[in-house]
Amino acid sequence: AQKVTQAQTEISVVEKEDVTLDCVYETRDTTYYLFWYKQPPSGELVFLIRRNSFDEQNEISGRYSWNFQKSTSSFNFTITASQVVDSAVYFCALSGGDNAGNMLTFGGGTRLMVKP
Amino acid sequence: DSGVTQTPKHLITATGQRVTLRCSPRSGDLSVYWYQQSLDQGLQFLIQYYNGEERAKGNILERFSAQQFPDLHSELNLSSLELGDSALYFCASSALGERETQYFGPGTRLLVL
Repeated sequence: AQKVTQAQTEISVVEKEDVTLDCVYETRDTTYYLFWYKQPPSGELVFLIRRNSFDEQNEISGRYSWNFQKSTSSFNFTITASQVVDSAVYFCALSGGDNAGNMLTFGGGTRLMVKP
Repeated sequence: DSGVTQTPKHLITATGQRVTLRCSPRSGDLSVYWYQQSLDQGLQFLIQYYNGEERAKGNILERFSAQQFPDLHSELNLSSLELGDSALYFCASSALGERETQYFGPGTRLLVL
């Protein structure tokens, strides 16, 4: 069975601080896909980033960056120079490549509060 | 805007009733997924349809059913509603390849009184 753990339930930072959201996953699939989604107070789920298990290159996209480490089964997400608009619940998710279907297994979410 | 639409946005009903939630996927997407978000269970996968056929099933109750129509829109039917069914129900869609990213609709917030 697949499992995603986000140990940080709530993080509070002051605007302009950098913040890293942790995600640890478990899967028996040899190929899998990792995602980060954002859920602002309005409630919708917004796709942020995706990483395939066969590509461990870490990237930066604007103020977002991510650190995928297969050896430790971690997929951490960093927001640089946080802004108040970044306040939301962030979900890490996993989908398996070996199973039928493409269901996402979500972590419990991390609530990020960015204070001005 | 993800391109996935869901109606209605809010639904208030009573225990024992039946409701239907509707989802229209992004243009061209063949896969539709339903998820439930509740305070105690978090975000959970319910069911997936691919081009009209059921593709995968998650923790979906027998009182719940879904279908995907020829025009690719999908409906989630919830019957014999209980208080515990109160939740945010999301629909997502993905492109041709099943390993594509899922894009979520705005959700339907269901309150069972």
